[in-house]
Amino acid sequence: AQSVTQPDIHITVSEGASLELRCNYSYGATPYLFWYVQSPGQGLQLLLKYFSGDTLVQGIKGFEAEFKRSQSSFNLRKPSVHWSDAAEYFCAVGAVGGADGLTFGKGTHLIIQP
Amino acid sequence: DVKVTQSSRYLVKRTGEKVFLECVQDMDHENMFWYRQDPGLGLRLIYFSYDVKMKEKGDIPEGYSVSREKKERFSLILESASTNQTSMYLCASSLPGPLQMETQYFGPGTRLLVL
Repeated sequence: AQSVTQPDIHITVSEGASLELRCNYSYGATPYLFWYVQSPGQGLQLLLKYFSGDTLVQGIKGFEAEFKRSQSSFNLRKPSVHWSDAAEYFCAVGAVGGADGLTFGKGTHLIIQP
Repeated sequence: DVKVTQSSRYLVKRTGEKVFLECVQDMDHENMFWYRQDPGLGLRLIYFSYDVKMKEKGDIPEGYSVSREKKERFSLILESASTNQTSMYLCASSLPGPLQMETQYFGPGTRLLVL
């Protein structure tokens, strides 16, 4: 069965500093990987996704993520965070073929210090 | 623009009541999903549907049922609400096929409190 681990429940970063959120997955074949962001009281918004090809993917709001097959990781990065980036971030893996739902990690709560 | 709407943002119900949560998408998506979100547990899949009148159990279907009579609408039903079903419920939809696969678009969520 597929699974996703986000080892950090909370992360605190100073505004303007760089950010890396960790995500490790377990899946038997090539995964489809996603990062979603959830602002307080809101639904989830897709930041970026990886299906195949270039292992460094660019997303919205200045985020990027790198797929590393050897480490089973798909870490999210941003070079300089803004106060508006404070939110809950979810990594997810999707099944190949068909319409199965996503398997989500438990989320990382990002706090931005002024 | 992609839009998934949920009938209520907040809902308060009593134990034993039958509860309907409605989700509508205007993107002509084949696939629709219901998740519940709980602190420390992330999102867990309850049911999904890949076509009208089709449904599949997700990871935690117990205590829930679903209905998909029209392509744009996917309803989650709590037959007899219990306090452990107090949660945030999120609906999502997606297109099938390799390029759009699993890019799910989410509604704003319904926060349900069962007393």
